[in-house]
Amino acid sequence: DAKTTQPPSMDCAEGRAANLPCNHSTISGNEYVYWYRQIHSQGPQYIIHGLKNNETNEMASLIITEDRKSSTLILPHATLRDTAVYYCIVRGILTNFGNEKLTFGTGTRLTIIP
Amino acid sequence: DTGVSQDPRHKITKRGQNVTFRCDPISEHNRLYWYRQTLGQGPEFLTYFQNEAQLEKSRLLSDRFSAERPKGSFSTLEIQRTEQGDSAMYLCASRSTDTQYFGPGTRLTVL
Repeated sequence: DAKTTQPPSMDCAEGRAANLPCNHSTISGNEYVYWYRQIHSQGPQYIIHGLKNNETNEMASLIITEDRKSSTLILPHATLRDTAVYYCIVRGILTNFGNEKLTFGTGTRLTIIP
Repeated sequence: DTGVSQDPRHKITKRGQNVTFRCDPISEHNRLYWYRQTLGQGPEFLTYFQNEAQLEKSRLLSDRFSAERPKGSFSTLEIQRTEQGDSAMYLCASRSTDTQYFGPGTRLTVL
């Protein structure tokens, strides 16, 4: 799986949009970008994933650059409950015999400031 | 959908004791995963099951670790002769389509 690079920490004011970047310059054409977050002492929570098109759901938007070498997770109106570690993960298309595991890095610690 | 559940949520044990954790996946999810997370690090893959078959094991899963999923539903992870280095959060996840959903984890402390 491709390696990802994220800033170790970020701050964002409550009510503003939080933009979390991720670099995955060695991503291949059949690898997805996944985002999870982990609030202190809880299990990781799935947020969103995409292949090459931008994606949006009730939690966030995912913007993937045209060359697919980087992406940005956008939380449109950050609240205090969005304070967490955010992980960007690249994983290949699932097959019958591989690409099952998620490889987590150390993520970005996002702190929402009141 | 009640989500992935894990039991116990916390376990404190003395070095050398055996411990067993249980994971109940989301109903009808045929794939189940175990991860381990130490302080300040992201989760690390340990093993996964498709139904009752254990299909992949990480090198992190030493001989003291064993995982089972006997009927293709819940799974157990046993650690024998625990060591202080086994102290970590043990996470379970399950999936049916292309997304893994995680449980709350079991935090193990080995004294």
